[in-house]
Amino acid sequence: DVKVTQSSRYLVKRTGEKVFLECVQDMDHENMFWYRQDPGLGLRLIYFSYDVKMKEKGDIPEGYSVSREKKERFSLILESASTNQTSMYLCASSPGDRPYEQYFGPGTRLTVT
Amino acid sequence: QQQVKQSPQSLIVQKGGIPIINCAYENTAFDYFPWYQQFPGKGPALLIAIRPDVSEKKEGRFTISFNKSAKQFSLHIMDSQPGDSATYFCAATGSNFGNEKLTFGTGTRLTIIP
Repeated sequence: DVKVTQSSRYLVKRTGEKVFLECVQDMDHENMFWYRQDPGLGLRLIYFSYDVKMKEKGDIPEGYSVSREKKERFSLILESASTNQTSMYLCASSPGDRPYEQYFGPGTRLTVT
Repeated sequence: QQQVKQSPQSLIVQKGGIPIINCAYENTAFDYFPWYQQFPGKGPALLIAIRPDVSEKKEGRFTISFNKSAKQFSLHIMDSQPGDSATYFCAATGSNFGNEKLTFGTGTRLTIIP
């Protein structure tokens, strides 16, 4: 079974802090994604990566950056956390030959106070 | 346009009933339409998917109906059970978007009451 793990289930940070969210997948997938999920807005793509050191902006990249130094690991960085970044963050991965079959992690609920 | 509009926002159905969740899209370049199921505290999981060359696809109690001319697709759950209570998301993508970028609907919270 594909396993996507996220470093924290719950995280509380203060405004202005730098926040790192880590994601690891164990299926050798080429593609990795970061989404945020908010009630009534569904899942919105922040960034994705189709290869090591490669990244593409999604629909809402402002205020976020990403890093992919190894194939299995994809990090989401909030340079200076703000209260409007309080959300559920979901990581996903997918194989290169079926990029639309995305496998999600359990999510990190981030609260910025 | 990349929007996918999903309705209803929430749905309550009695056990054994057939909940129907609808989605509509504008972009004719979309050519792959998956549905994801999310239980509380879990990430979404791929449930079933369809391509526009067929009008219907069944997997167990789950059926997708696709209407290409109307640019609409829907999820039906036959003989619904309380264990089907979850949030359901429709999505769409296409080769024009590299097939990686899924555009999700806003979700439907489904509750099946015994």
